[in-house]
Amino acid sequence: AQSVSQHNHHVILSEAASLELGCNYSYGGTVNLFWYVQYPGQHLQLLLKYFSGDPLVKGIKGFEAEFIKSKFSFNLRKPSVQWSDTAEYFCAVLHYGQNFVFGPGTRLSVLP
Amino acid sequence: GAVVSQHPSWVICKSGTSVKIECRSLDFQATTMFWYRQFPKQSLMLMATSNEGSKATYEQGVEKDKFLINHASLTLSTLTVTSAHPEDSSFYICSATLPTSTDTQYFGPGTRLTVL
Repeated sequence: AQSVSQHNHHVILSEAASLELGCNYSYGGTVNLFWYVQYPGQHLQLLLKYFSGDPLVKGIKGFEAEFIKSKFSFNLRKPSVQWSDTAEYFCAVLHYGQNFVFGPGTRLSVLP
Repeated sequence: GAVVSQHPSWVICKSGTSVKIECRSLDFQATTMFWYRQFPKQSLMLMATSNEGSKATYEQGVEKDKFLINHASLTLSTLTVTSAHPEDSSFYICSATLPTSTDTQYFGPGTRLTVL
C-alpha cells in the first residue's frame, strides 16, 4: 500500500528565510501529487498539484514543488516565507485507481 | 468556486448518543464525497468514499454500522456516528470532487466531535 512520509514534524523559521519541506512516497508507477495547506482554524486548501509534464510546478502564494521520480519525492519550496505562511502543510499522493494518501503533515511556524 | 461546507463545526455529545454531520457542496454537484478522520497531530485517514445514490465504500477497519454514510443528493452527504463513545472524539473532515476533475479534492472546514 502507498505510504507518504514528510521529513519534518515542525519547522520554525524567521520571516524571509527560505523553506523546503520534504515529501516522499513509497509506491512507484503513475501518481498524482499534491500539497495542501491548512491555516489555523481553516480548512485544507490546495497549494499545487502535479499530474504530468514539467516536474517543477508552481502554485499559489509563491510556492513551488519539484517532482523527482527517481527519488519518489515531491518537495515543497518557497524562497522567502512570511508570517502568514504559518500553517500545517500536507503532502498527498493519488495513485491511479486508488484513494488519496496523505502524509502526516508538517507544522510551519514563521516568526515575525 | 468549489466550496464545501460542514455542519456543525463543533459538537459535544454524551456517550451513547448519535451525532449527524452534514457535508454540502455549495456551488457544484459532487457525485463523490469522501469522509476523513484526523487525530491530533496526525494526518487525515480516509474512512469512506460516498457516491451519490449508492452505498458508501468503507476503508478497512472502519465500522460501517457505527459510521453511517448517506449521500442522498448531489450536494449533500451525511455521516452519522451512532452510539458515540469517547474514543470517537476526533476531527471529521469531508471532501468532494468535481465531476469534471476527479483528481482534485475540495475540503470542508471539518467538524470537531467531543464525546463525553
